[in-house]
Amino acid sequence: AQTVTQSQPEMSVQEAETVTLSCTYDTSESDYYLFWYKQPPSRQMILVIRQEAYKQQNATENRFSVNFQKAAKSFSLKISDSQLGDAAMYFCAYRPWNYGGSQGNLIFGKGTKLSVKP
Amino acid sequence: ETGVTQTPRHLVMGMTNKKSLKCEQHLGHNAMYWYKQSAKKPLELMFVYSLEERVENNSVPSRFSPECPNSSHLFLHLHTLQPEDSALYLCASSPDRGHSYEQYFGPGTRLTVT
Repeated sequence: AQTVTQSQPEMSVQEAETVTLSCTYDTSESDYYLFWYKQPPSRQMILVIRQEAYKQQNATENRFSVNFQKAAKSFSLKISDSQLGDAAMYFCAYRPWNYGGSQGNLIFGKGTKLSVKP
Repeated sequence: ETGVTQTPRHLVMGMTNKKSLKCEQHLGHNAMYWYKQSAKKPLELMFVYSLEERVENNSVPSRFSPECPNSSHLFLHLHTLQPEDSALYLCASSPDRGHSYEQYFGPGTRLTVT
């Protein structure tokens, strides 16, 4: 079974600095998707960034970028120029390529709580 | 916070009560999901509906009963719950279950069972 591990329960960053959140996963599949979701204190979870495993190029979305290491099964999130609004829980998630039956659902890590200091 | 709404936002109920959680999506999606979020645990998928048919039930106790009357609405009926069922219940929707379609989440219902 696939698993997602976020080894940092909590992280802290100074405003305007850069922080990297770690995520590793375990799968025997070669094709899949990886996601980072953000859940601010208001609780509405939103997608931050998505990566297709077949793409070698790391995904970027403005100040958010990933370091996808397929062989190492690592998918870290880098937040540059951190802002107070970045404070939230961040969840790493894995989704198999095939979506039939029980295979197509998101598998989440436990999350990393990010604090941003002014 | 638009697109997927959930009511109520907070609910306190006794173990003998019957209550229902409601989710509504205004995005024209075909798939809807219920998740349970407990402290220090990964999100747990409870139910998946695709085109109003239940396609996934992750061994959820029968005291949780989902209902999907149409593609825009999803309910979670609760009865004789246990204190360990206290958690944040999140609803999500997506265009379809396939491929990399993003799931859009609601704000959640914070449930406390006393």
